[in-house]
Amino acid sequence: EDKVVQSPLSLVVHEGDTVTLNCSYEVTNFRSLLWYKQEKKAPTFLFMLTSSGIEKKSGRLSSILDKKELFSILNITATQTGDSAVYLCAVEGHTISNFGNEKLTFGTGTRLTIIP
Amino acid sequence: SQTIHQWPATLVQPVGSPLSLECTVEGTSNPNLYWYRQAAGRGLQLLFYSVGIGQISSEVPQNLSASRPQDRQFILSSKKLLLSDSGFYLCAWTPGRAYLNTEAFFGQGTRLTVV
Repeated sequence: EDKVVQSPLSLVVHEGDTVTLNCSYEVTNFRSLLWYKQEKKAPTFLFMLTSSGIEKKSGRLSSILDKKELFSILNITATQTGDSAVYLCAVEGHTISNFGNEKLTFGTGTRLTIIP
Repeated sequence: SQTIHQWPATLVQPVGSPLSLECTVEGTSNPNLYWYRQAAGRGLQLLFYSVGIGQISSEVPQNLSASRPQDRQFILSSKKLLLSDSGFYLCAWTPGRAYLNTEAFFGQGTRLTVV
């Protein structure tokens, strides 16, 4: 069974701090790892990682994947109150089934709260 | 461009009543379609996914069912709701097998409260 574990479950920091969110996984036939930000309703896409050691960067957010140790981290520098959200990690695995297709397995998320 | 519609946005239903949530995708063909449930403070739990019309894979045993009567339509149903069915339900799609390594696109979700 595919499994995604995120830590910490929740995190409260002050504005301007740097945070690191963790995601470890076990998945059959790994295809990609994705990070999403969920504020109120639908999650919004942040990053997709497929190769080890290559950092993806978008503004103050960055992420990297380690396929040997089966984990990824999401870094947010100089945090702002608008970064408060639940951050979801998901792993896409290729299922060996009658359908032979991919599915996304999500972790429980990290609830990040930024205090002004 | 592709869009995904999910309705209703909120729903309050009594225990034992039926449920039907609908999701449709526009601007693409042969999508993979997913139903997720998110309990309060929890991550997204995959309930069903479908790679084609009439092809449904169930991930967890429950009193819910899913159907895909058309290529871009995915329906989540229940004959009799339980209190434990309360939660936030999200429909999502990814491009079909012709595409590799793409993100999932989500509907705006349905907040279901069973009373």
